Amino acid sequence: DIQMTQSPSSLSASVGVRVTITCRASQSISRYLNWYQQKPGKAPNLLIYATSTLQSGVPSRFSGSGSGTDFTFTIDSLQPEDLATYYCQQSYSVPFTFGPGTKVDV
Amino acid sequence: EVQLVESGGDLVQPGGSLKLSCAASEFTFSAYWMSWVRQAPGKGLEWVANIKRDASEEYYLDSVKGRFTISRDNAKNSLYLQMNSLRVEDTAFYYCARWFYSSSSYFDSWGQGTLVTVSS
Repeated sequence: DIQMTQSPSSLSASVGVRVTITCRASQSISRYLNWYQQKPGKAPNLLIYATSTLQSGVPSRFSGSGSGTDFTFTIDSLQPEDLATYYCQQSYSVPFTFGPGTKVDV
Repeated sequence: EVQLVESGGDLVQPGGSLKLSCAASEFTFSAYWMSWVRQAPGKGLEWVANIKRDASEEYYLDSVKGRFTISRDNAKNSLYLQMNSLRVEDTAFYYCARWFYSSSSYFDSWGQGTLVTVSS
């Protein structure tokens, strides 16, 4: 199974700052990496797929990059509504594993 | 807008069984792979199972293989998860999710979840 790790596990930042989360896979997953946002008490929501493609309707302050085993998720100009936990997920092979999540406090 | 509505979550004793349902609407259900993803309270996300558009292929998390069965009824726009031999560690919110399967694949729509509690 491919193991996914994320860092940091949590962070607190002010409105307007840039936030970066890293995700690492235990083996190469090419660019088969997705990012989800989960707000408290809600279902997850797809933000980015295939490493860097923004899902329709997602604000452009969210972005992603990387390939192979190392990936980055960035929120430019953090907003109050970005309070959430963010998960990376590999779709390279079954089982489709998620990272442990990064909790973002604003 | 895609709608996925889960039901069937309940409190069940260890070793018991439960069947979850997911009613899909506002999209062509038979054209998509579908999935179940779970989340233990306060914990992270864990993929459980996938089923192909025509139900000809199924994939499972190792820890549920042989105990859980994913199925679908395209005529009823419904997805199911039959859970047998339930364990305390199966306690979680279970989400129905649409699996967009192409050159890239991802969970592009999610239901609100249904809670399964396994406890004596």
